[in-house]
Amino acid sequence: GAVVSQHPSRVICKSGTSVKIECRSLDFQATTMFWYRQFPKQSLMLMATSNEGSKATYEQGVEKDKFLINHASLTLSTLTVTSAHPEDSSFYICSASSRGGTEAFFGQGTRLTVV
Amino acid sequence: SQQGEEDPQALSIQEGENATMNCSYKTSINNLQWYRQNSGRGLVHLILIRSNEREKHSGRLRVTLDTSKKSSSLLITASRAADTASYFCATEGTGGFKTIFGAGTRLFVKA
Repeated sequence: GAVVSQHPSRVICKSGTSVKIECRSLDFQATTMFWYRQFPKQSLMLMATSNEGSKATYEQGVEKDKFLINHASLTLSTLTVTSAHPEDSSFYICSASSRGGTEAFFGQGTRLTVV
Repeated sequence: SQQGEEDPQALSIQEGENATMNCSYKTSINNLQWYRQNSGRGLVHLILIRSNEREKHSGRLRVTLDTSKKSSSLLITASRAADTASYFCATEGTGGFKTIFGAGTRLFVKA
């Protein structure tokens, strides 16, 4: 299957700072990328959908000003958690699909801990 | 809720036994996928079944799909301790590639 790389795999930051997570499609052009959040012992919750070159579409209840998503190229999308707080500590996973593709491929996730 | 429902939420079995997990969803789908996740790590894609398929096999895995009941099941035969993980179903709706995950089943296989 196609490869999606997510970086960093783990990050610890201080409360109030911002953290950027990258999601790259290594061997295909990702016209659409998705960002998910997973709290301990819970399922993955879709946060937003981003299409290359346009604004992301956020799911209900997700603050777009807090979770900034940029999908400036066909191989890279970034999620920036702004002014992070301990309650933002979570596992964040991206997935990517190509135009005309029938599957989305997942990155390995980023564990964010805000102290 | 955007999530589908999975049952059981947790399942504990002995090595060698079969494990069956069920998933129900709410909307029309293009496909349904099953994933495994070990201890909060990344997802491992197990199998994809399309809406026009009813059953699919991959090694010790057997997946069924009943679109009339909007449900799917994952059967793991001859389970091993290494199968201990959380299992999620995920559906891709007909409106796009948005993949929505079920609540998951935590499987514990005792050696």
